[in-house]
Formats: sequence, structure tokens, C-alpha cells
Amino acid sequence: RKEVEQDPGPFNVPEGATVAFNCTYSNSASQSFFWYRQDCRKEPKLLMSVYSSGNEDGRFTAQLNRASQYISLLIRDSKLSDSATYLCVVTTPRDDKIIFGKGTRLHILP
Amino acid sequence: DVKVTQSSRYLVKRTGEKVFLECVQDMDHENMFWYRQDPGLGLRLIYFSYDVKMKEKGDIPEGYSVSREKKERFSLILESASTNQTSMYLCASTAWGDEAFFGQGTRLTVV
Repeated sequence: RKEVEQDPGPFNVPEGATVAFNCTYSNSASQSFFWYRQDCRKEPKLLMSVYSSGNEDGRFTAQLNRASQYISLLIRDSKLSDSATYLCVVTTPRDDKIIFGKGTRLHILP
Repeated sequence: DVKVTQSSRYLVKRTGEKVFLECVQDMDHENMFWYRQDPGLGLRLIYFSYDVKMKEKGDIPEGYSVSREKKERFSLILESASTNQTSMYLCASTAWGDEAFFGQGTRLTVV
């Protein structure tokens, strides 16, 4: 099983819709979780951290399910500007190695 | 603001050349990483370092080496560049367990 797995997509979603993606991780000792956003030909940038209790930032909600070893990202009322690749990121406590998923491509359609 | 700076945005090198990619961060982060990113393959870890003079191999270290003589600087070295090393190279730094900050990337073409 890969360390971090994401559905590569693309997810083609009409503007205004709600979209959700999951990311699974294999190391149960993983400690920190993040969602990054990457625009075409740009570096990844932090979208939000994922806390055990779940967290929300405007239209974005991130959740962690330790029992099933996945994190999720929900985007409500999607905008054209949400079109990007979303990367799931997991860190392990022993060596603090950062492990990236390959990303999920999202296209918001007008 | 945390800043991670990579020395070049675009680089063209010839096969067999020795190539140096430099990365500097200004937030006193312990951990620094080098990744390459290719279409369909995502971000792949080449090397990382969690302290000065310390280095650890990532998933694809072959053909690369690194140097971390100072805490703020992490260099990636392509000993003898080959065409299959044409890629986007991204440097990142982080404090323990915290978010990673990326440089703007270096798009390397080996001809």
C-alpha cells in the first residue's frame, strides 16, 4: 500500500457545487496532516492544516479519521478560482519526513 | 513571512554537466527537502536533511547528492546531468511537525 494515496481525478464540477476528496495514509503513527493547493506551474501552498477535531475555513472543511486512516477536504459553493491540484500531506513523527500524495486535479466548470 | 528562495527559476544544462541547485530559507527551520515533480508522478522526495551536515535519502536519490553546510542552505547536486533529470525541482523547509514552505521551483532542462 502506498504511503499516501489520492484519487488523481480530474474532478469536473459545475460552479456552485460541493465537491469532496479523500486521502488515505498507511502509517498509523502519522502525526500531522495538511492540504496543499498547487496551481499550474506554481509551487504548492498550504491550504489548511487538518486537526483531529476537524476544522473549517470559509467554504473549506477538512476532517481527519484516524480509525480509517484518511483525511478529507470538502469545498462548498465552488468557484472557478478553486480549479487547481489539491495535495494531501502527511508527516511521520520519527523522522518528520513529509509525504505528499500525488494530488487530485479539480476543474470547476462555468 | 517565511521565505524559501531557489537560486534559479529556469535552467538549461548539457548532458554530463555537474549542476548545482541552491535553496535558502530564512526562518531557522531544522528540516529541508528536495523534491522533483513530473506530470503524472506527483512530488517525489529526493533527499532531506533535519540538521546541518545531516542528510537522508528519499525515494529517488540516484544520480543526486546534497550538501547542508549551513542551517539555512540546502544544495542539490546533479553529479552528471542526464536527460531523464529534466524536471521541476522544488525545495521546501519546515519546523518539526509544522507546515512546509516551498521555494518557487526550478525548471531544469537537460539537453
